[in-house]
Amino acid sequence: DAKTTQPTSMDCAEGRAANLPCNHSTISGNEYVYWYRQIHSQGPQYIIHGLKNNETNEMASLIITEDRKSSTLILPHATLRDTAVYYCIVRSTRAGGTSYGKLTFGQGTILTVHP
Amino acid sequence: IAGITQAPTSQILAAGRRMTLRCTQDMRHNAMYWYRQDLGLGLRLIHYSNTAGTTGKGEVPDGYSVSRANTDDFPLTLASAVPSQTSVYFCASSDSGAARYNEQFFGPGTRLTVL
Repeated sequence: DAKTTQPTSMDCAEGRAANLPCNHSTISGNEYVYWYRQIHSQGPQYIIHGLKNNETNEMASLIITEDRKSSTLILPHATLRDTAVYYCIVRSTRAGGTSYGKLTFGQGTILTVHP
Repeated sequence: IAGITQAPTSQILAAGRRMTLRCTQDMRHNAMYWYRQDLGLGLRLIHYSNTAGTTGKGEVPDGYSVSRANTDDFPLTLASAVPSQTSVYFCASSDSGAARYNEQFFGPGTRLTVL
């Protein structure tokens, strides 16, 4: 799986957009970009994923560069409840074998939303 | 709809004792996983199950066993607990279609302390 690089921490004002970057320069053609977050003392929560097109759902938007070497997760109107660790994960969709479902959670980005 | 539940919420256990952590999901997901989360080490996969009746080893399987008798339940057993198994344990599940098996739904976690 491709390695990802994220900033250790970021701050955002409540109500503003939070833009979380992720570098994945060694991503291969069959690998998707997934984003999860983990709010303190809770289990991780799936946010969004994409292959090469930009994606949007009720939680966030995912912008993937044309060369797919980096992406940005956008929380359009951050709230205090969005304070969490955000993980960018690159993973193939090949099922079966020893790699099945193995999500590798790195250190992530600690996003702090302040009033 | 409960989603995925874990029991107990927390447990203090004497070293050498046997312990089973329970995990149940009501989403009819084929795949289930057990992770442990330790400070500075992130989430690490212990065991997984692609479908009922099958299990596989993850990154850190030693000292743990699992079974998957049916779709809904995926218990994790520590046969003889040791202090290094002190951790927060998360169970997760996912559908098995295409990219969806990487969209994992996590339980609230079990905080285990082995003394």
